[in-house]
Amino acid sequence: KQEVTQIPAALSVPEGENLVLNCSFTDSAIYNLQWFRQDPGKGLTSLLLIQSSQREQTSGRLNASLDKSSGRSTLYIAASQPGDSATYLCAVSSPLAGNQFYFGTGTSLTVIP
Amino acid sequence: EPEVTQTPSHQVTQMGQEVILRCVPISNHLYFYWYRQILGQKVEFLVSFYNNEISEKSEIFDDQFSVERPDGSNFTLKIRSTKLEDSAMYFCASSLARTLNTEAFFGQGTRLTVV
Repeated sequence: KQEVTQIPAALSVPEGENLVLNCSFTDSAIYNLQWFRQDPGKGLTSLLLIQSSQREQTSGRLNASLDKSSGRSTLYIAASQPGDSATYLCAVSSPLAGNQFYFGTGTSLTVIP
Repeated sequence: EPEVTQTPSHQVTQMGQEVILRCVPISNHLYFYWYRQILGQKVEFLVSFYNNEISEKSEIFDDQFSVERPDGSNFTLKIRSTKLEDSAMYFCASSLARTLNTEAFFGQGTRLTVV
């Protein structure tokens, strides 16, 4: 079974700082990895999708990288803003999982004005 | 921008009662999913649905659960006899194709509270 871990569980940074969130997975044979944002008590907003053949994806201030061989992905947020405060989840789909995602436990990010 | 819509946003029900959670997936999507998130825990897969039948289900998705696409737009999750441990946020998702190569879009969730 695919296990997905996110470190740190919580992160607090001052506004304007660049930061990196980490995601690791136990089985490197993934199809794709998706990063989501979840606001308290709310749904999941898709941020970036990285296909297994890709090394990174960028959207605005966000950059996600993927290293399948080491079972890691990072989400880089540049020039953080208070509005970035949320929980960030990564999820992987893999041959072990069939047609489903395995989610990590998330990193709760607080950006202090 | 197209989005997945879920209703209601919050449902309170008594233990043993039946509940139906409703979802309207993105109109041209073909695969539909239900996930749940118990407070403080990971988002967990329940079931996937394609071509009017279940394509996969998890161990959580036992005989108390069922899914249906009653018309061309709605996708529902029914829990026949709710238990306290069914209290969770339930997310509907849809994708154009199988998740192995496409992006999945999630709804805002239905918070189910069983009392």
